[in-house]
Amino acid sequence: DAKTTQPTSMDCAEGRAANLPCNHSTISGNEYVYWYRQIHSQGPQYIIHGLKNNETNEMASLIITEDRKSSTLILPHATLRDTAVYYCIVRPRGSGTYKYIFGTGTRLKVLA
Amino acid sequence: ETGVTQTPRHLVMGMTNKKSLKCEQHLGHNAMYWYKQSAKKPLELMFVYNFKEQTENNSVPSRFSPECPNSSHLFLHLHTLQPEDSALYLCASSQVTQETQYFGPGTRLLVL
Repeated sequence: DAKTTQPTSMDCAEGRAANLPCNHSTISGNEYVYWYRQIHSQGPQYIIHGLKNNETNEMASLIITEDRKSSTLILPHATLRDTAVYYCIVRPRGSGTYKYIFGTGTRLKVLA
Repeated sequence: ETGVTQTPRHLVMGMTNKKSLKCEQHLGHNAMYWYKQSAKKPLELMFVYNFKEQTENNSVPSRFSPECPNSSHLFLHLHTLQPEDSALYLCASSQVTQETQYFGPGTRLLVL
């Protein structure tokens, strides 16, 4: 499984865009990039995932570089409730490929 | 919300007790998972069930005993635990094992 590298922590001003980077330089062609977040002592919450195209949903946008070696999760207008640990995970697709390998993530703090 | 519920949310038990954690998913999924999250450590996959059959046991000690009576319910039976088993236990489900996992809120377990 590909490994991911994320900054340990980031701060963002409330109302501004939060851009969370992730490096996955050893990703292979059949691996998805997934993002989850975990608010203190709660279960991880699914945010978004993608393969090679940029994706957007009601929560966030995911920008994947053309070589797929890195990605950025964008929260367009961060609020205090977005303070959480954000995990970037790469995961193969195909039968039986269910393993998520969680790293230590990025601790995002949204400041008032 | 995720549609995955876990009870109890908090549990304190002695090392000689027997207790059970319950997970229920209301999403019509066929795969269910148990994860463990110890303090300041990444999530660790413990067990995977697919269509009620256990397909993964990630070298978990026998004092943890999972049960999956149907695709909607998953239990984790606990007996003679150790203090180092204190952690957040998370349940997740997905349509099938290749698809996105959705997590419950977790059970915070303290073993005295």
